[in-house]
Amino acid sequence: EDKVVQSPLSLVVHEGDTVTLNCSYEVTNFRSLLWYKQEKKAPTFLFMLTSSGIEKKSGRLSSILDKKELFSILNITATQTGDSAIYLCAARPGGGADGLTFGKGTHLIIQP
Amino acid sequence: GAGVSQSPSNKVTEKGKDVELRCDPISGHTALYWYRQSLGQGLEFLIYFQGNSAPDKSGLPSDRFSAERTGGSVSTLTIQRTQQEDSAVYLCASSLVWGGDGYTFGSGTRLTVV
Repeated sequence: EDKVVQSPLSLVVHEGDTVTLNCSYEVTNFRSLLWYKQEKKAPTFLFMLTSSGIEKKSGRLSSILDKKELFSILNITATQTGDSAIYLCAARPGGGADGLTFGKGTHLIIQP
Repeated sequence: GAGVSQSPSNKVTEKGKDVELRCDPISGHTALYWYRQSLGQGLEFLIYFQGNSAPDKSGLPSDRFSAERTGGSVSTLTIQRTQQEDSAVYLCASSLVWGGDGYTFGSGTRLTVV
């Protein structure tokens, strides 16, 4: 059974800190890994990672995938209160299936 | 439309009743997905449509759940004889093509079965 595990489940830091969120996966015919930010109801897309070792960056956020060790990290530098959200990691299988397997998320709280 | 639209945003129903949840994807998006998010849980895949066909129904939790998509656009998720464990947020997402980057999610329907 496909599985995605995120850690930590929750994290409280102060504004300005740097955080690293972890995601490990076991997925049959793995194709790609996706990160989402969920503030209210609708998760918003952050990154899709397909190749190992290639960092993707968007402002203060960056992410990288390690396909040998089956994990990904999401880094947020110089955190702001607006970064407070649940960060979801999802793995996409290959073959004919297309449903993502999501982790339970990391609830990140940034204190002023 | 500009985004993925779901209705209703909230639904309270009595146990045993049937409910229909609607999803209107972004115009031109051929792939449509339904997910369920229960309290404290990650998103759970339910079903995926490519056009009007559903090649992957593997996530539907029971035969009380069904979904259809007509005209390659709007989709409805129907839950028959609702149970309390069906209470969750039901999220719909669409993408331009099968396997496309980063689905766009709707805001979801919060279903409460009492």
